[in-house]
Amino acid sequence: EPEVTQTPSHQVTQMGQEVILRCVPISNHLYFYWYRQILGQKVEFLVSFYNNEISEKSEIFDDQFSVERPDGSNFTLKIRSTKLEDSAMYFCASSESQGGNYGYTFGSGTRLTVV
Amino acid sequence: AQTVTQSQPEMSVQEAETVTLSCTYDTSENNYYLFWYKQPPSRQMILVIRQEAYKQQNATENRFSVNFQKAAKSFSLKISDSQLGDTAMYFCAFRKLIGNQFYFGTGTSLTVIP
Repeated sequence: EPEVTQTPSHQVTQMGQEVILRCVPISNHLYFYWYRQILGQKVEFLVSFYNNEISEKSEIFDDQFSVERPDGSNFTLKIRSTKLEDSAMYFCASSESQGGNYGYTFGSGTRLTVV
Repeated sequence: AQTVTQSQPEMSVQEAETVTLSCTYDTSENNYYLFWYKQPPSRQMILVIRQEAYKQQNATENRFSVNFQKAAKSFSLKISDSQLGDTAMYFCAFRKLIGNQFYFGTGTSLTVIP
């Protein structure tokens, strides 16, 4: 079964550093998403991306964050200057369509630790 | 605003037994979608079952079924004949009829005991 692949599985970075989290969505999917889960809290929506632009974003997704689809396969989340509170599990997801009863396909996540 | 609440952080069940995971939600929407996702240890989240709010019939997928009570805003997951491979974190999620955003609960960690 096709999978969404995220790398790395765990990343440790120093506060203030830039970090890029990488995702390879399922090849025929057109919609891409990032979610995050701070330890012990809910999984929260960050952003959705379609046709090379952001289609929806949450309040969490401020100017520190950006997303990009640099080539035909990768979908990245960049955090420009990491803060301690950015420590979380970050999940990438993709879907063939949007809305409806579609369930997205999620990746295994990248655990980001900011020290 | 939409909220999803899972009041059971951890649960356990004997292999072959039945277990029910609770989920309640709050919304002013009349039509929406509800989902249960499963996340095995160190693995990706996978969709277990989904329910359209406009359908009265409860969704069923093999050993997994839901009890959807729209008036009570309750969406519980029943796992029958529990198997060791059911050990995972289970997330309840809500999505509006239109839009991309899932609203998740905090999850229930289920352990199936041999």
